[in-house]
Amino acid sequence: QVKLVESGGGVVLPGTSLRLSCAASGFTFNTYALNWVRQAPGKGLDWVAVTSYDGTNIYYKDSVQGRFKISRDDSKNTLYLQMNRLRPDDTAVYYCVRSSGSYEDDAFDFWGQGTMVTVSS
Amino acid sequence: QSVLTQPPSASGTPGQGISISCSGSSSNIGTSSVNWYQQLPGTAPKLLIYSDHLRPSGVPDRFSGSRSGTSASLAISGLQSEDEADYYCAVWDDSLKWVFGGGTKVTVL
Repeated sequence: QVKLVESGGGVVLPGTSLRLSCAASGFTFNTYALNWVRQAPGKGLDWVAVTSYDGTNIYYKDSVQGRFKISRDDSKNTLYLQMNRLRPDDTAVYYCVRSSGSYEDDAFDFWGQGTMVTVSS
Repeated sequence: QSVLTQPPSASGTPGQGISISCSGSSSNIGTSSVNWYQQLPGTAPKLLIYSDHLRPSGVPDRFSGSRSGTSASLAISGLQSEDEADYYCAVWDDSLKWVFGGGTKVTVL
């Protein structure tokens, strides 16, 4: 069965960096697009970034463009989110989400359980 | 402020039917299909409806979706207590990003 397990969350100071990882199993990793979606405490869902199945199409939410980088290592079946210059409004649970197909505009069909990132001084 | 507009709450008694709206624009709902997600309390979201009206395997046919113009809706018929959750619409925008509605909290009275 499809499994997505996030790790790397924690409490960090504003302006610092953090890298999230998502270990995937149960499907052919290199044929699916993958996303990061976040949810601030008590708030709604907020899409962050997507990579197509082969990494050629990558898109970001405006407020993270230039600070965050999504990447994938197909040899390790792992998705990453490198987050730099973190701000307090980046505080959220970050979900690793599989798309239902190979491309960025396919629906999100499987979600991980999430990892919490807290940015606070 | 979310790009897609949903009512913050909806409610009904067991067995009743309810509908949740999702309003967008010509750059999102007007051109792309809508997906709906259900988030039960304390859990990760789950795909409920995709491509406007299709249900993934395992989703009861009490849930249905539709889209017209720049709006979409999710209908739940025969409301059950386990349907108490937050519901979100989402669509791929022409600006090359995903946009979500603010979410609708469904309460079963």
